[in-house]
Amino acid sequence: AQRVTQPEKLLSVFKGAPVELKCNYSYSGSPELFWYVQYSRQRLQLLLRHISRESIKGFTADLNKGETSFHLKKPFAQEEDSAMYYCALGTNAGKSTFGDGTTLTVKP
Amino acid sequence: NAGVTQTPKFRILKIGQSMTLQCTQDMNHNYMYWYRQDPGMGLKLIYYSVGAGITDKGEVPNGYNVSRSTTEDFPLRLELAAPSQTSVYFCASSERQGLRSSYEQYFGPGTRLTVT
Repeated sequence: AQRVTQPEKLLSVFKGAPVELKCNYSYSGSPELFWYVQYSRQRLQLLLRHISRESIKGFTADLNKGETSFHLKKPFAQEEDSAMYYCALGTNAGKSTFGDGTTLTVKP
Repeated sequence: NAGVTQTPKFRILKIGQSMTLQCTQDMNHNYMYWYRQDPGMGLKLIYYSVGAGITDKGEVPNGYNVSRSTTEDFPLRLELAAPSQTSVYFCASSERQGLRSSYEQYFGPGTRLTVT
């Protein structure tokens, strides 16, 4: 069975501080990992996917297969980063399992 | 290109009533999904479809039904609504764009349903 764990439901940092949202997964196959973001009153949208190894809005995430983790990081948080963040694990069958989400608040 | 659209945006149902949540996508995606989002509980997969005429249960299918007669539409039916079905419902679609891509999902705006 596949599982995604986001240990922090709430995370609060000050503007300009580094931020790390944790994500751990369990899956016996080859995983596809994603981070989705949901800003207030908006739909979920893709932020990052591990296969692209990209940086979006200053966020990066590295897949660590040894630690089965896909933590989301940003060196200098901005107030507009305040949102709900979901880590998701995708499979070749097209299904995704989502974590419970982390609400990030960036304080001025 | 509207992406994924859902109707209605809000609905209040009485216990025992039934309704259909509509979902349409115009991206020609084969894969479509229904999720529910409960406060503090993340997204739970209700049903999904890998193409027209093919549907399968997700994690929490009880109390719901789906159909997929066309590529574009994937309605979710609630029969005999119960308070436990109070939630926000999201429809999503996806498609793998080549061997090096992945099933990123495109979400609709959601339907907020209250059952009282």
